[in-house]
Amino acid sequence: GQQLNQSPQSMFIQEGEDVSMNCTSSSIFNTWLWYKQDPGEGPVLLIALYKAGELTSNGRLTAQFGITRKDSFLNISASIPSDVGIYFCAGRSFGNEKLTFGTGTRLTIIP
Amino acid sequence: DAGITQSPRYKITETGRQVTLMCHQTWSHSYMFWYRQDLGHGLRLIYYSAAADITDKGEVPDGYVVSRSKTENFPLTLESATRSQTSVYFCASRLAETQYFGPGTRLLVL
Repeated sequence: GQQLNQSPQSMFIQEGEDVSMNCTSSSIFNTWLWYKQDPGEGPVLLIALYKAGELTSNGRLTAQFGITRKDSFLNISASIPSDVGIYFCAGRSFGNEKLTFGTGTRLTIIP
Repeated sequence: DAGITQSPRYKITETGRQVTLMCHQTWSHSYMFWYRQDLGHGLRLIYYSAAADITDKGEVPDGYVVSRSKTENFPLTLESATRSQTSVYFCASRLAETQYFGPGTRLLVL
């Protein structure tokens, strides 16, 4: 089946730093999604990407749909304490109703 | 309140018992999904449903049964719980490309 490799698995940063994470797939996706999960909650959609090369922002978050359609990137600028959580990428291929999720990147902010 | 609710939020059961996890959505979305979340595996799809009375297997369906007699409800049943089914279970519904997740059910099988 399809696999998504998400990296890094965890990040420890200081408040104010920028964050970058990425996902790579063994196959092509038509849609890339980025979710954030807070402790004890379900994932919440942050950004959706629909075209290769697309660059989309949501406040301090920016995500890109890779040209090869096999990867995607998420950047967070000037991190703040509420950015703490687990970030998941997810991809959907054409004609497939199912999402494939990455294993997550756990973001921790060091005081 | 509108949204997805799951019940119970926490459940402890014993090996071999039948357990049903409930999921209810107020939006009338056609698609609904059940995932399990385990360390090192992210979210894995158990079953999904395109509409009432239409269900299909996901990545890890063994040991689980679903039904969808009404659009708004999508219960997940563990017919004979095993320790490997200890996990956090998330229900989701979908509108266009967006999946909306419930708060999850933490299940411990002893």
